[in-house]
Amino acid sequence: EAQVTQNPRYLITVTGKKLTVTCSQNMNHEYMSWYRQDPGLGLRQIYYSMNVEVTDKGDVPEGYKVSRKEKRNFPLILESPSPNQTSLYFCASSFGLAERNEQFFGPGTRLTVL
Amino acid sequence: QKEVEQNSGPLSVPEGAIASLNCTYSDRGSQSFFWYRQYSGKSPELIMSIYSNGDKEDGRFTAQLNKASQYVSLLIRDSQPSDSATYLCAVGSHKLSFGAGTTVTVRA
Repeated sequence: EAQVTQNPRYLITVTGKKLTVTCSQNMNHEYMSWYRQDPGLGLRQIYYSMNVEVTDKGDVPEGYKVSRKEKRNFPLILESPSPNQTSLYFCASSFGLAERNEQFFGPGTRLTVL
Repeated sequence: QKEVEQNSGPLSVPEGAIASLNCTYSDRGSQSFFWYRQYSGKSPELIMSIYSNGDKEDGRFTAQLNKASQYVSLLIRDSQPSDSATYLCAVGSHKLSFGAGTTVTVRA
């Protein structure tokens, strides 16, 4: 089954404790992206990757890191999480054609930073 | 000005009626336009994509695009209770900008 998977689905942590949220897709998509969703603010892009070893900032990259060492994986790293990073996070992927960038979303990771 | 704006809602329609959702965008160079449906607590699900001016129909859904007016809309015909969700308008290419969403409730 074609899908985007994320782990963990739920995470409660404390300020300053490094964490990684994994994202994997099995559709051979070149393009992958991370979003956060907050009430009243909608979906905002954090980082995206056009291909292996190619990443770029989205609208809200501060406090996050990403890497793309393999085509299928695109982990999101929070080196020192803070309470304002409490949010619902989605990973998405697509074939990456500029005019046909139909993105497919993972199930989401609900993160709480205390 | 937000990059993508949607009618704020919530929108309540009776079962069997037409739900009309609107979206405007600021980047005149945008080439790709999408409508996603998101049920509470779930991930966004792509329901329509449109790339050229005019109408595109898929089942009970019709997307309309007018690039000159920087406007994209979604019509849901014969609305069903299962259509009750938040609908997100997304515009762009690799960098997608999303509207805040319009919540639709279909009354049985």
